[in-house]
Amino acid sequence: DAKTTQPPSMDCAEGRAANLPCNHSTISGNEYVYWYRQIHSQGPQYIIHGLKNNETNEMASLIITEDRKSSTLILPHATLRDTAVYYCIVRPVQTGANNLFFGTGTRLTVIP
Amino acid sequence: DTGVSQNPRHKITKRGQNVTFRCDPISEHNRLYWYRQTLGQGPEFLTYFQNEAQLEKSRLLSDRFSAERPKGSFSTLEIQRTEQGDSAMYLCASSSRTEYTGELFFGEGSRLTVL
Repeated sequence: DAKTTQPPSMDCAEGRAANLPCNHSTISGNEYVYWYRQIHSQGPQYIIHGLKNNETNEMASLIITEDRKSSTLILPHATLRDTAVYYCIVRPVQTGANNLFFGTGTRLTVIP
Repeated sequence: DTGVSQNPRHKITKRGQNVTFRCDPISEHNRLYWYRQTLGQGPEFLTYFQNEAQLEKSRLLSDRFSAERPKGSFSTLEIQRTEQGDSAMYLCASSSRTEYTGELFFGEGSRLTVL
């Protein structure tokens, strides 16, 4: 069952940074924060994950607060193709943990 | 294309009929997952295979549902005596244990409409 809280929707102007918040106040010490996104009519796509430190890859940056109770996914220069539902997921990284609980996510609309 | 492949992409059936979906995972991925997604909701876990062994099943997987993964390669998900409530997108995903980052690779799904 989802352990995260996300706003249902957000808008962002094309070319600006999109900052998507996620609350995970009950996160455990062995749980990572994962972000996936789902573009309309496609399967979910992995974006990034992290434990304590901030992470960056070619798609996005993940900022995790020091107490790990919340995080923010940052798309530095949003494009129209970034319009999607973004899911924040907490999950223990161990071989027995196979499920991803997606919740309902945040629907990001990038506006031209 | 070497991604996860699902067939058929769309299936319309009448209530009470049986349907079968196929998933071909990324080559050499030993883990395979089935999820179901209804309109406006996130994907929900159904079942998980490691190689040919079905290791986990959600309570969402009623006795009308059966999944197999013979020989640890492709997988099939069969729904018997379909009901209108079975209308959903059925998503398959695969992952590699040797590069275990928690990243699942999803297919584009099979959309089922039960009339």
